[in-house]
Amino acid sequence: SQTIHQWPATLVQPVGSPLSLECTVEGTSNPNLYWYRQAAGRGLQLLFYSVGIGQISSEVPQNLSASRPQDRQFILSSKKLLLSDSGFYLCAWSSGLAGSYEQYFGPGTRLTVT
Amino acid sequence: GQSLEQPSEVTAVEGAIVQINCTYQTSGFYGLSWYQQHDGGAPTFLSYNALDGLEETGRFSSFLSRSDSYGYLLLQELQMKDSASYFCAAYDSWGKLQFGAGTQVVVTP
Repeated sequence: SQTIHQWPATLVQPVGSPLSLECTVEGTSNPNLYWYRQAAGRGLQLLFYSVGIGQISSEVPQNLSASRPQDRQFILSSKKLLLSDSGFYLCAWSSGLAGSYEQYFGPGTRLTVT
Repeated sequence: GQSLEQPSEVTAVEGAIVQINCTYQTSGFYGLSWYQQHDGGAPTFLSYNALDGLEETGRFSSFLSRSDSYGYLLLQELQMKDSASYFCAAYDSWGKLQFGAGTQVVVTP
């Protein structure tokens, strides 16, 4: 069966510090991968998506970046965090096959920038 | 892009029926999904409508009308465990989802 892992679960970082969040998927090959951010009491905002290794599309211009160094690994990074980067970060995957619409979400990382 | 509107909160008693409406403005609309999210948890998939009409999955049903740019999620025989946030999300041909702001469903005894 497929599983998706994210770490860390919670993170408190000062403004201006770097960030690296990791997401890995097991039990599937060549998944589509997604990074979302959710502010408190709000919907999910798509940040990045990837259909393959090294292929990253950015949905929202900001101080975050993403990389996909391996087929089932997706990394979200920042060189200098802003207060507005606080939120719940969710990684998700989908099969990318025609007729498959479900996205499967990881447990998320709750980031607080102080 | 897409924008989706849904009510912010709905309260109902156990055993009742709740309907959560979602209207959308679209470019490249492909279908409408619904996700459930409990406090502090990850969203989980409930349903997907690509065609007009009703899709039923147990106590939950979802409806889509493309001509009206409208859909709804119907929750029947409400249980306490159904207290959660429910999101409609528009799916585009690239496989991307645009989420609404969510509807908080509060189930009371």
